[in-house]
Amino acid sequence: EADIYQTPRYLVIGTGKKITLECSQTMGHDKMYWYQQDPGMELHLIHYSYGVNSTEKGDLSSESTVSRIRTEHFPLTLESARPSHTSQYLCASSKSGGPEYEQYFGPGTRLTVT
Amino acid sequence: GQQLNQSPQSMFIQEGEDVSMNCTSSSIFNTWLWYKQEPGEGPVLLIALYKAGELTSNGRLTAQFGITRKDSFLNISASIPSDVGIYFCAGQRNTDKLIFGTGTRLQVFP
Repeated sequence: EADIYQTPRYLVIGTGKKITLECSQTMGHDKMYWYQQDPGMELHLIHYSYGVNSTEKGDLSSESTVSRIRTEHFPLTLESARPSHTSQYLCASSKSGGPEYEQYFGPGTRLTVT
Repeated sequence: GQQLNQSPQSMFIQEGEDVSMNCTSSSIFNTWLWYKQEPGEGPVLLIALYKAGELTSNGRLTAQFGITRKDSFLNISASIPSDVGIYFCAGQRNTDKLIFGTGTRLQVFP
C-alpha cells in the first residue's frame, strides 16, 4: 500500500494569495512528481525530482515552483494564485532503481481560486 | 504535444457484463500502462506491458500491448460495482516521462 500523503485535500483561496501544497512519502523513494489534473481529464506532469536538491520542469508549463530539501518532502508553491490555477494537483513517487512508471500517487489536493 | 486518445470516453454497463476499452497514439511507445482512478483518489497502477503483442492479466483485467506499438487494450470481465472509476492508459518512450491518456469513465449498474 502506498504511503504518500498530501495536504490539504481541499483548498479554496482568493486571488493573489501565496499557497504551498504539501506532499510527503514514507517509502524512501528518490523520485517524486507533481501532476495537474482537471476533473476527469488526463494528468499533466508539471514538476519532477530525482533526489534532494534536484528539480525539473515537466511537460506542462506551470507558474508553480517546487523544492526538494529532504527526500521525503516535495512541496509545491504558488506565489500568487489565480483562478486559472484552479485544478487538482497530484503528487507521486517511484522507487529508486525501479521502473519509473511504477508511480504511487497521493490522494490529491483540489484547489479552487476565487 | 503528444496525446493518447482513449475510447470510449464513457461506458454505462450492467453488472456482469464484459468491458473493452482502448488507447491509441500516433507515436510508438515502449511501455504501456493502465491505471484506475476512483473519485477523490490518485491513480493506481493495474497492469504494465513491456513488449509488442504482450497479453497480461490481473484478476478479471486483461491488457494487451498492440503489435504496432501505437495502441493498447484493456478488458474487464464480469464487471462488478467496485469497477466504477476512470481508467487511464499511459505510455512511456525510452526514458521519457509518462504520458497519460484522456481516460475512460466506467459506470456499473447493479
